[in-house]
Amino acid sequence: GDSVTQMEGPVTLSEEAFLTINCTYTATGYPSLFWYVQYPGEGLQLLLKATKADDKGSNKGFEATYRKETTSFHLEKGSVQVSDSAVYFCALRVGTSGSARQLTFGSGTQLTVLP
Amino acid sequence: GAGVSQSPSNKVTEKGKDVELRCDPISGHTALYWYRQSLGQGLEFLIYFQGNSAPDKSGLPSDRFSAERTGGSVSTLTIQRTQQEDSAVYLCASSRPRGQGASEAFFGQGTRLTVV
Repeated sequence: GDSVTQMEGPVTLSEEAFLTINCTYTATGYPSLFWYVQYPGEGLQLLLKATKADDKGSNKGFEATYRKETTSFHLEKGSVQVSDSAVYFCALRVGTSGSARQLTFGSGTQLTVLP
Repeated sequence: GAGVSQSPSNKVTEKGKDVELRCDPISGHTALYWYRQSLGQGLEFLIYFQGNSAPDKSGLPSDRFSAERTGGSVSTLTIQRTQQEDSAVYLCASSRPRGQGASEAFFGQGTRLTVV
């Protein structure tokens, strides 16, 4: 079946440090890949996505590239801020944008950025 | 509404009691999902509704769990005879109809269920 494995946390960084959160996947088809973020006290929000190999999703300074050869979708940011402190979830969905398939999530990575 | 709304935000119940969790999706979203997040775990898929189609119940962990969606909008997740292992955050999400860029799901803030 489909599965997502992401780097275990918690991760603690100083402000302006470089961030990488690793994510790898296994899928029975050709998945779309997502990063969701959950800020304290809020619901999950889509951070970025990529729907085909070599696509790069980006948002709010975060980037992730869909690497089919390594089945990975690592999240990166060059300079983190205190406001980036949150839980980050990697996820996949197999099927086209109109298909009735659910998202499969990783276990989440807690990021804390210290001033 | 402006976002996916879930109620209650927190629920403490005694073992063996039944509970109902409510989800009000974004207006116009025909797809609705329920997920469960146990402590230290990822999001576990429970059930999926798409329009008037039969729901995908493949993620429900036991027959104590059921869900319905009335009028294609509000959904209720019911857990009967609750057990301590049911303690988790229950998340609801909705997305647009098929063929309208339906890949993104919007999540509510969840209901934290504690069974004592």
